[in-house]
Amino acid sequence: EPEVTQTPSHQVTQMGQEVILRCVPISNHLYFYWYRQILGQKVEFLVSFYNNEISEKSEIFDDQFSVERPDGSNFTLKIRSTKLEDSAMYFCASSGGGSAFFGQGTRLTVV
Amino acid sequence: AQSVTQPDIHITVSEGASLELRCNYSYGATPYLFWYVQSPGQGLQLLLKYFSGDTLVQGIKGFEAEFKRSQSSFNLRKPSVHWSDAAEYFCAVALSLNQAGTALIFGKGTTLSVSS
Repeated sequence: EPEVTQTPSHQVTQMGQEVILRCVPISNHLYFYWYRQILGQKVEFLVSFYNNEISEKSEIFDDQFSVERPDGSNFTLKIRSTKLEDSAMYFCASSGGGSAFFGQGTRLTVV
Repeated sequence: AQSVTQPDIHITVSEGASLELRCNYSYGATPYLFWYVQSPGQGLQLLLKYFSGDTLVQGIKGFEAEFKRSQSSFNLRKPSVHWSDAAEYFCAVALSLNQAGTALIFGKGTTLSVSS
């Protein structure tokens, strides 16, 4: 069964550092998403991506964040100058226009 | 504003008992509706979805959900809960699946505990 793959599963970084979270969406999907879940809180939408550009973003997705599809298979989320409050589980998702399928998540810990 | 409400933060049911998790949405039109489950330390797995047609939809793991337009609800049910069903359950809605990149809006989740 096709699945969304995220790496790494857990990343620890120092405050102020840049991190790149990686995702490999399901191969024939066209829509890609990043979501965030702070510990104990609900899943929050960050950004959606279609046709090589951002199609929608939330208030959370400020200039600190960027997304990229550097090749035909990967979809990345870059967080510049990380802050303590960026510590969360980050989920990548993809869809073919129907249901969204989620990866297992990357737990980001900023220390 | 668009919203998804899951009124129950935490529910405990006995193994073998029936389960109903509530979900209400606030939108002008009928959205596309989903239930996802998140087991501890895991990602989100799609349980079932409603797009149109029969308002009672069947999902994986013996779950079902019923869309009630008059109540703006999409409650999740299971006739007999198993200990492995203990997890976090999220209701989500999408306004459109044809527009590129339409986001899913999630409720805050309901934690299900199963007692023996």
